[in-house]
Amino acid sequence: EIVLTQSPATLSLSPGGRATLSCRASQSVSCCLGWYQQKPGQAPRLLIYDTANRATGIPARFSGSGSGTDFTLTISSLEPEDFGVYYCQQGSHWPTFGQGTKVEIK
Amino acid sequence: EVQLAESGGGLIHPGGSLSLSCAASGFTVSSNYINWVRQTPGKGLEWISIMYPSGDTYYAASLRGRFTISRDQSQNTFYLHITSLRTDDTAVYYCAGAGRPNRGDYWGQGVLLTVSS
Repeated sequence: EIVLTQSPATLSLSPGGRATLSCRASQSVSCCLGWYQQKPGQAPRLLIYDTANRATGIPARFSGSGSGTDFTLTISSLEPEDFGVYYCQQGSHWPTFGQGTKVEIK
Repeated sequence: EVQLAESGGGLIHPGGSLSLSCAASGFTVSSNYINWVRQTPGKGLEWISIMYPSGDTYYAASLRGRFTISRDQSQNTFYLHITSLRTDDTAVYYCAGAGRPNRGDYWGQGVLLTVSS
């Protein structure tokens, strides 16, 4: 099983700030690294697939990058609706998720 | 617009069985990848099962044997049947669909299953 480790656990930022979230895999992920946003009481929502592709309807302020074992989700300028928990997920082998990064209002 | 709606959760005693349902609209169950994922505060998000358009099914190694995914093309609905329920099966269960394997493009709202005596 590929273990995904996300950092930091919590990110405290103000609206308008830049968020950089990290996801490190226990072995190389050849494809299929995605990012999801989850708000309390809601299901995860796909933001990014295949490392850098925005899902339908996702604003351009969300971007993904990385390769191998190190991946990053960047939110260029935080909007109030962006606060929540973000998970990375790999689909290169049996799908697994990271433990999440909570983005909270500073 | 794609909508997935789960039903069938609730309180079940250990050792019991139940089936969860996921009714789809705007999404054809038989020609896409359908999945079940669960979430607990302790273990986080856990991918349970996948069914390919071909009908092939796959399960998390740790869960194989007690979980069965199936679909009903006529109802455009898919299911997760769980047997020999244990207290650590307590979770919110999500159905998810996608046009590619190992990904969740669309998600249901989730259903809570509590296993307790």
